[in-house]
Amino acid sequence: ILNVEQSPQSLHVQEGDSTNFTCSFPSSNFYALHWYRWETAKSPEALFVMTLNGDEKKKGRISATLNTKEGYSYLYIKGSQPEDSATYLCAFPAPGNNDMRFGAGTRLTVKP
Amino acid sequence: DAGVTQSPTHLIKTRGQQVTLRCSPISGHKSVSWYQQVLGQGPQFIFQYYEKEERGRGNFPDRFSARQFPNYSSELNVNALLLGDSALYLCASSQGQGTSYEQYFGPGTRLTVT
Repeated sequence: ILNVEQSPQSLHVQEGDSTNFTCSFPSSNFYALHWYRWETAKSPEALFVMTLNGDEKKKGRISATLNTKEGYSYLYIKGSQPEDSATYLCAFPAPGNNDMRFGAGTRLTVKP
Repeated sequence: DAGVTQSPTHLIKTRGQQVTLRCSPISGHKSVSWYQQVLGQGPQFIFQYYEKEERGRGNFPDRFSARQFPNYSSELNVNALLLGDSALYLCASSQGQGTSYEQYFGPGTRLTVT
């Protein structure tokens, strides 16, 4: 069974705090790792697609790293803002079936 | 450019009925995937279609079926609805079939089965 685990389940931080959360995935048969941001009442929005071990990607205050050998990716948010409040999902494609396996997400709340 | 669109937005059906959900991908995108999302869980993969052919199927019963049309829009059909089919159904489009392509999601269809 291919499990994608995310931690923590939820996170409450103050505006201006930096934060990070984890996505763990099976390290064998790696193809890609996707990160999404899902704000309430909106569509999930793609943040990053990561394909290479050691990859680091950045979009504004959000960045992500990837370790395919040990099977984890970190998402970092620097100087969190209330508009960063959302659920952050990672997804890992199962080999051979185009089946994208999503974690349950980390729900981030940034208090002003 | 228009994003991924889905219709209807909300739907209420009774057990045993059949439902059809619709998705229009971003212009130029040839791949459409369907997901079911229930509260507290991540989206679960149902189908992927690319160039009008099924390219992937998740662990869902045969009551779930889909198709893709020549214009790359797609329909998801669910027969003999059960209470447990109540969920948000998401459609995502991408340019290609492979899993390294970025997916763009629609707003979803909220299905309630009573």
